[in-house]
Amino acid sequence: NAGVMQNPRHLVRRRGQEARLRCSPMKGHSHVYWYRQLPEEGLKFMVYLQKENIIDESGMPKERFSAEFPKEGPSILRIQQVVRGDSAAYFCASSPGLAGVNEQYFGPGTRLTVT
Amino acid sequence: AQSVSQHNHHVILSEAASLELGCNYSYGGTVNLFWYVQYPGQHLQLLLKYFSGDPLVKGIKGFEAEFIKSKFSFNLRKPSVQWSDTAEYFCAALSGGSYIPTFGRGTSLIVHP
Repeated sequence: NAGVMQNPRHLVRRRGQEARLRCSPMKGHSHVYWYRQLPEEGLKFMVYLQKENIIDESGMPKERFSAEFPKEGPSILRIQQVVRGDSAAYFCASSPGLAGVNEQYFGPGTRLTVT
Repeated sequence: AQSVSQHNHHVILSEAASLELGCNYSYGGTVNLFWYVQYPGQHLQLLLKYFSGDPLVKGIKGFEAEFIKSKFSFNLRKPSVQWSDTAEYFCAALSGGSYIPTFGRGTSLIVHP
């Protein structure tokens, strides 16, 4: 049973480019969370999605960031016009239901570097 | 807003030493608590969790944590660490009725052989 997959594992973008991060949840999981980890900081919640729905995006910056979880395919976190401050590790986690009641399973993360 | 504090940011131990990592949360109501571990280059894995019942929770790899409600704490312990325990450890809390866990900033543990 494959775990949560994220790709790419490492992504380098120049300022102003777009970054697309993909997350394939575990089989049977319909809930996906995205987190950002900055150096010397813990995981910060960004967005919570279920298939075809954004449930909570209260942790996502209002501009340049968007997320989707289509009916088919992986969840995508998209960052437009990246800036140096977007450099971080981005983790997704999946669960079969709500976190807290159900355990979250984390992917290996995508390390984004903006030059 | 709920917060989770991990006061030890960097811990260095020798093998066989005892470990205790502190975790305090701010929420006063019902809370679910978690400890995750992230080995170098790997993803976060759940070490243990507390939802209710016995406040002393046993997890994988010999780890345990004690929920002390009066102190708002959920400290992680291991009586004898190994070199392979070198990792980043994250405490997380989920207040009752919420579905968004709050994570602490993590504690980096280095165990010297």
